[in-house]
Amino acid sequence: DTAVSQTPKYLVTQMGNDKSIKCEQNLGHDTMYWYKQDSKKFLKIMFSYNNKELIINETVPNRFSPKSPDKAHLNLHINSLELGDSAVYFCASSQDSGLGNTIYFGEGSWLTVV
Amino acid sequence: GQQVMQIPQYQHVQEGEDFTTYCNSSTTLSNIQWYKQRPGGHPVFLIQLVKSGEVKKQKRLTFQFGEAKKNSSLHITATQTTDVGTYFCADGGTSYGKLTFGQGTILTVHP
Repeated sequence: DTAVSQTPKYLVTQMGNDKSIKCEQNLGHDTMYWYKQDSKKFLKIMFSYNNKELIINETVPNRFSPKSPDKAHLNLHINSLELGDSAVYFCASSQDSGLGNTIYFGEGSWLTVV
Repeated sequence: GQQVMQIPQYQHVQEGEDFTTYCNSSTTLSNIQWYKQRPGGHPVFLIQLVKSGEVKKQKRLTFQFGEAKKNSSLHITATQTTDVGTYFCADGGTSYGKLTFGQGTILTVHP
């Protein structure tokens, strides 16, 4: 059983479209994240939710809107996609939002905007 | 904001050679984590270091945390082709569970 699963794995779409990526974790964790990895492999946090509450929002354009219907799910909706949004988006979770928690990553969603 | 600098960016080795990647911070780290990402894969947790001067080993991998808790290293002895991937250090000491990742070191192992 996959601990952190996200769909779709691959997404190719045109500029201006709106798309969503879904994420679910079955680890019973309280905290979930979205990370973005660019073409140079740099991993940067975008959002973090703890028990459905937004706790980190890292200077992300408001075209990106996360939504957590419950603590096991954290979805990412992106409006008006731009070329620069092309990246790998990783969902992740941790036991809670305390210091030094291990983060468990999903397999990633490869987004290509053309 | 807090930055973690990681070097080198790339490392190419022959199978059997050793490999080291270094992580440096300008401020004291409360803890540091190491992750490995295989090509096409996702980051996977390797280890966490918390104590000053801590050294931990996992088979051929040796992790060190500096005495001042401002730097860390990962050393792989006698690399194998299965070691290929990107190795990230991450500062795990910021708020709300946020990890700040280094830039990563991409390791290539030639058979």
